[in-house]
Amino acid sequence: QSALTQPASVSGSPGQSITISCTGTSSEVGGYDHVSWYQQHPGKAPKLMIYDVSNRPSGVSNRFSGSKSGNTASLTISGLQAEDEADYYCNSYTTSTTVLFGGGTKLTVL
Amino acid sequence: QVQLQESGPGLVKPSETLSLTCSVSGDSISSHNWNWIRQPAGKGLEWIGRIYNSGRSSNYNPSLNSRVTMSMDTSKNQFSLKMSSVTAADTAVYFCARGREYSRFDYWGQGTLVTVSS
Repeated sequence: QSALTQPASVSGSPGQSITISCTGTSSEVGGYDHVSWYQQHPGKAPKLMIYDVSNRPSGVSNRFSGSKSGNTASLTISGLQAEDEADYYCNSYTTSTTVLFGGGTKLTVL
Repeated sequence: QVQLQESGPGLVKPSETLSLTCSVSGDSISSHNWNWIRQPAGKGLEWIGRIYNSGRSSNYNPSLNSRVTMSMDTSKNQFSLKMSSVTAADTAVYFCARGREYSRFDYWGQGTLVTVSS
């Protein structure tokens, strides 16, 4: 199993919107609506931001949204804030009943 | 509030077995599924496996399957990871996490660094 494909880095200015992609195959991302997104600050545990493609857990800002088209899922952050600067990971359920993570994306807020 | 805490040796010798325990409070491990995830320094997250159904069922990452065993002690509300024949490539921060259905990990431990070195 190869990791899901994410861009290594993205950047944006405060107030702007950015989108991070997560590309897989029909065996995971494209086959199930079970993609989640996590935010990880340095030295901290990951935090769940989106689950089942587009659902936000309680307490997560509505500036975070998710979507999916075919084998690619996307995380959009609108109204970028300094505290959004972090690493972001997607994961997906797979046909083998396992879980596969993306390689991670470093978000820089300029 | 659900809390998870990893514990175990921070240093393991090559070819030996890595053993970690995750203690859970605020929820019963008889519910949901319970996962191990690791992260080498400066690299991404890798799912190791899950245990559920009160310890009767488990799924492992195919790339680690032959070396990994997970178990559960419901009386202590703890679950454990054993990884055999470790090498330097197994050096990582190991996280435990509660899994809801499919791929949703909603509570995580703080992580524990395990270094494989002689």
